[in-house]
Amino acid sequence: AQKVTQAQTEISVVEKEDVTLDCVYETRDTTYYLFWYKQPPSGELVFLIRRNSFDEQNEISGRYSWNFQKSTSSFNFTITASQVVDSAVYFCALSPYNQGGKLIFGQGTELSVKP
Amino acid sequence: DAGVTQSPTHLIKTRGQQVTLRCSPISGHKSVSWYQQVLGQGPQFIFQYYEKEERGRGNFPDRFSARQFPNYSSELNVNALLLGDSALYLCASSLPFSGSGNTGELFFGEGSRLTVL
Repeated sequence: AQKVTQAQTEISVVEKEDVTLDCVYETRDTTYYLFWYKQPPSGELVFLIRRNSFDEQNEISGRYSWNFQKSTSSFNFTITASQVVDSAVYFCALSPYNQGGKLIFGQGTELSVKP
Repeated sequence: DAGVTQSPTHLIKTRGQQVTLRCSPISGHKSVSWYQQVLGQGPQFIFQYYEKEERGRGNFPDRFSARQFPNYSSELNVNALLLGDSALYLCASSLPFSGSGNTGELFFGEGSRLTVL
C-alpha cells in the first residue's frame, strides 16, 4: 500500500526560527513523485515542489529547502528564518507512476509562526 | 490567466439530498481531478478525468460520480448525501495526461465547502 505520514500535527515557532517539517512515505514503486503543498486559510493548495524518485539532489529555493533521502523514504522540508506569512498547513504528497492527477496526501502539519 | 475556478464556494444540504459541484480548469489544461478534504485531514483522491474519460478513481462509493465536458470543465455529483460527506471538495487541473507518467504540478482551486445537516 502507498502511504504518506506526517507525524507532526502542529508546530509552533517564533519568527526567524528555522523549522523542519517531516515526511515519510511508503511505496513499492521504483518510480514515483513527491510533492509539497501549502494550504493557507483560504483553502487553495499552493504547489511548492515536485521531486521524482530518481533525483535525490537536495533543493533550495530562497528560504525553503528540501531533503530527499530514498534510503529512509523521507522527504523533509525546512523553512529558514520563518516568517508570520509562512503560517499555514503543509502537505506532503506521493504520486504513483503513470497515475497523473492522483496524489496521496499526508495528514498535514499546521505551522504557526508567531511574531 | 484565470486559475482553477470552482462553484459554489459554500453550500448547505440535508441528508439524502443530491449536490453538483462545478470546476473550470486553467485554460489549456485537459486533465481534471477531484479531491475530498475532511476537516483536519489531507485531501483524498476521488476521480481523475482526461478527454472526457475517467482515468482514475479513489475509494469512494458509487454515490459519487463525475463527468468532464468538451470544454474540459467538470462536474462532481454526490447522491444520497450523508453527514460524513461534509467536507471541502477540491478540484485540480493539470497539463495533458501523457500516459507515460505525467505527474506534473496540479493546480488547485479554492474548493467548494459542503455542509450536510
